[in-house]
Amino acid sequence: DGGITQSPKYLFRKEGQNVTLSCEQNLNHDAMYWYRQDPGQGLRLIYYSQIVNDFQKGDIAEGYSVSREKKESFPLTVTSAQKNPTAFYLCATSSGGLGETQYFGPGTRLLVL
Amino acid sequence: KQEVTQIPAALSVPEGENLVLNCSFTDSAIYNLQWFRQDPGKGLTSLLLIQSSQREQTSGRLNASLDKSSGRSTLYIAASQPGDSATYLCAVYSGAGSYQLTFGKGTKLSVIP
Repeated sequence: DGGITQSPKYLFRKEGQNVTLSCEQNLNHDAMYWYRQDPGQGLRLIYYSQIVNDFQKGDIAEGYSVSREKKESFPLTVTSAQKNPTAFYLCATSSGGLGETQYFGPGTRLLVL
Repeated sequence: KQEVTQIPAALSVPEGENLVLNCSFTDSAIYNLQWFRQDPGKGLTSLLLIQSSQREQTSGRLNASLDKSSGRSTLYIAASQPGDSATYLCAVYSGAGSYQLTFGKGTKLSVIP
């Protein structure tokens, strides 16, 4: 069963805590992306990776970190430096060519306790 | 910096009507434009991708047009159904070498039975 999985579906963060969102894909896609979506807003790019062991900052990378040690996985860590982390986080993949269609996971909703 | 605007923000129509969703972008030097659908609390599903050299794309009851010179795209939905109720997002790839999609805030469509 091919696709993109994100876990957990809901995540709660305490003040000062780092949390990690998981994104796994078995589509054999080279490129992976993390977006943040706030209510009534479009998606904003946090980080993206075109190839293993390489990633680039998007428009709102401050307070976030990523790694790309495997082609299939692109975890996102929301650090304590991100002061307003409450949002819906979406992971996407594409084959890696310029302008290729992006395929999205089901999302993780992060809430602050 | 590319900006994408979608009007209206919300639209309610009776079942069976044909309808048009609008998308405009500020920089006409785009690589392609994509339309996505998002159901509440879910990820995005790709609907149509129009290359910058194309004028329109069709899939079933959906038809997307692109006028790059005027910075506009429309998504036409024929014979609307309650199952079409969702938020529709427009996104553009801007410029050579850019691997970033810029999203609009979306149009929330409600089709009333």
